[in-house]
Amino acid sequence: GQNIDQPTEMTATEGAIVQINCTYQTSGFNGLFWYQQHAGEAPTFLSYNVLDGLEEKGRFSSFLSRSKGYSYLLLKELQMKDSASYLCAVMDSNYQLIWGAGTKLIIKP
Amino acid sequence: ETGVTQTPRHLVMGMTNKKSLKCEQHLGHNAMYWYKQSAKKPLELMFVYSLEERVENNSVPSRFSPECPNSSHLFLHLHTLQPEDSALYLCASSQTSGSVDTQYFGPGTRLTVL
Repeated sequence: GQNIDQPTEMTATEGAIVQINCTYQTSGFNGLFWYQQHAGEAPTFLSYNVLDGLEEKGRFSSFLSRSKGYSYLLLKELQMKDSASYLCAVMDSNYQLIWGAGTKLIIKP
Repeated sequence: ETGVTQTPRHLVMGMTNKKSLKCEQHLGHNAMYWYKQSAKKPLELMFVYSLEERVENNSVPSRFSPECPNSSHLFLHLHTLQPEDSALYLCASSQTSGSVDTQYFGPGTRLTVL
């Protein structure tokens, strides 16, 4: 079967760095997406990785290792507004998104 | 952002009611999706439409009935729902459905079935 695993909840301190991991087993691979979802709001697109390596976009970076079925989202200089759920999703061979359950990130002052 | 809008934002209905959820996208996309999001569970894909044709139906109970009258509008008609259908229903759109395209989401309708 297809499976995406990510931690349920993480806590970090304002100004610090946090890494949210995602491991996957899917039928085919057409890339991995990260979305941010604030409570009661729409998931919003953060990043897309299809090749191995690190993609940096401001304070957020996303890493992919296809051989290990592993990705992480790195958030630097954490701000209170970064408190949200972070969703990992893999696009399978049928171009459908397979979703993880999301990681709720709590930022403390 | 108002790329994808959904109404109503909140809905409470009894098990014998009939209601409809509406989604509209202003992005010029050709594919639209309905997802169900339950607490602490992965998003579940319910329906996919491409150019107003249904291309995917992931074994969803018949009490959920989608309608896509044009590429900008998507409806989800609800009837005789069960309490376990209470969830956040998200609509999304993308340029196409059969290739690598980013999906853009609406804010969702929070549905409570009594």
